[in-house]
Amino acid sequence: ETGVTQSPTHLIKTRGQQVTLRCSSQSGHNTVSWYQQALGQGPQFIFQYYREEENGRGNFPPRFSGLQFPNYSSELNVNALELDDSALYLCASSLDRGAYNSPLHFGNGTRLTVT
Amino acid sequence: GQNIDQPTEMTATEGAIVQINCTYQTSGFNGLFWYQQHAGEAPTFLSYNVLDGLEEKGRFSSFLSRSKGYSYLLLKELQMKDSASYLCAVNSNSGYALNFGKGTSLLVTP
Repeated sequence: ETGVTQSPTHLIKTRGQQVTLRCSSQSGHNTVSWYQQALGQGPQFIFQYYREEENGRGNFPPRFSGLQFPNYSSELNVNALELDDSALYLCASSLDRGAYNSPLHFGNGTRLTVT
Repeated sequence: GQNIDQPTEMTATEGAIVQINCTYQTSGFNGLFWYQQHAGEAPTFLSYNVLDGLEEKGRFSSFLSRSKGYSYLLLKELQMKDSASYLCAVNSNSGYALNFGKGTSLLVTP
């Protein structure tokens, strides 16, 4: 069973640039959720994708967008990067949308630094 | 709003027992999760409670009281490898998102 994989592991960008982060879900999982984890904080929900459609969104501006592909892999895109976007971005996959009956399986994350 | 509180740091001795508390105030409740996160690694699922009571899984147990908005994670026979951050997370009305606390950093000393 292949776990959740994310790429790249680390990334440095300049304020105002755009970034794309990638995630491959665990085998058999059809739902992908993205979380942002600032240093010393718990993960904050960005959005969730189920069957290639956005299924829910947290309190993040529209410059955070995403995609899910037919193989259930996913991308997170962030435009017009700001210094506060510096964080660990975690991708989590699960079976079906309901977080209450399907534990999230997290990848190791992408560490984004915006300078 | 959603409010989930847990202690920032705890220290315990190898072989001992430690209890990490979590209190929550959320709009709705569909279950509470505990995750373990080692530095630089992914959070890993430990336990899930949706009904009141104690769920035991090896050295780890988790308790829930919905009327009190309270949970704890109990770690027995502590090992050095248990040094990590422990995240309490609640699934509220949305059904699809978890609301995480800031995490409790546990240090296990010899």
